[in-house]
Amino acid sequence: GEDVEQSLFLSVREGDSSVINCTYTDSSSTYLYWYKQEPGAGLQLLTYIFSNMDMKQDQRLTVLLNKKDKHLSLRIADTQTGDSAIYFCAEKNTGFQKLVFGTGTRLLVSP
Amino acid sequence: GAVVSQHPSRVICKSGTSVKIECRSLDFQATTMFWYRQFPKQSLMLMATSNEGSKATYEQGVEKDKFLINHASLTLSTLTVTSAHPEDSSFYICSATRTRSYNEQFFGPGTRLTVL
Repeated sequence: GEDVEQSLFLSVREGDSSVINCTYTDSSSTYLYWYKQEPGAGLQLLTYIFSNMDMKQDQRLTVLLNKKDKHLSLRIADTQTGDSAIYFCAEKNTGFQKLVFGTGTRLLVSP
Repeated sequence: GAVVSQHPSRVICKSGTSVKIECRSLDFQATTMFWYRQFPKQSLMLMATSNEGSKATYEQGVEKDKFLINHASLTLSTLTVTSAHPEDSSFYICSATRTRSYNEQFFGPGTRLTVL
């Protein structure tokens, strides 16, 4: 079955770059997503990438996809304290509506 | 655009009672809505997929008689937790996709259910 894994915790200093990693097992995944969840809140869609791309940039966010290794990463440049949250990666197959979520990475940004 | 609301945001109820949670797409029509459950410090678990005008599709292990889902319009889906017990206490989150745009799911803010 599908499985999506993430490291549980990442701590960085304000102004540094953060890199959050994700691995998935389903080779037929066609869309890969990054969501942000702040305490007690729902999920905010940050960005997503189609599997025929290897990179997508959106302001401070850069998504890298290594399809061969089934590895996805989210880089946040100039990390701010407001970026502290849990980040989930998720994957979806074309034609299916179901998202499969990773375990979530808690990012802590210290001043 | 693409705002999803949930009501209530928090609910506390006694064991044995039923609780209804509403999920609304405020500025778009949602053909499909999803209901997730999230335990503390854990990921989201999909409970069911709800298509407007048809019966919900439940994930394996989710009791459909306990978690009743109704998607009566293109902007509203409801989840009713029947005969709630303390183990049903959790954070319930809904999401919705726009009609003919299935690649983006927009999430509601979640409902914290506590069963005493």
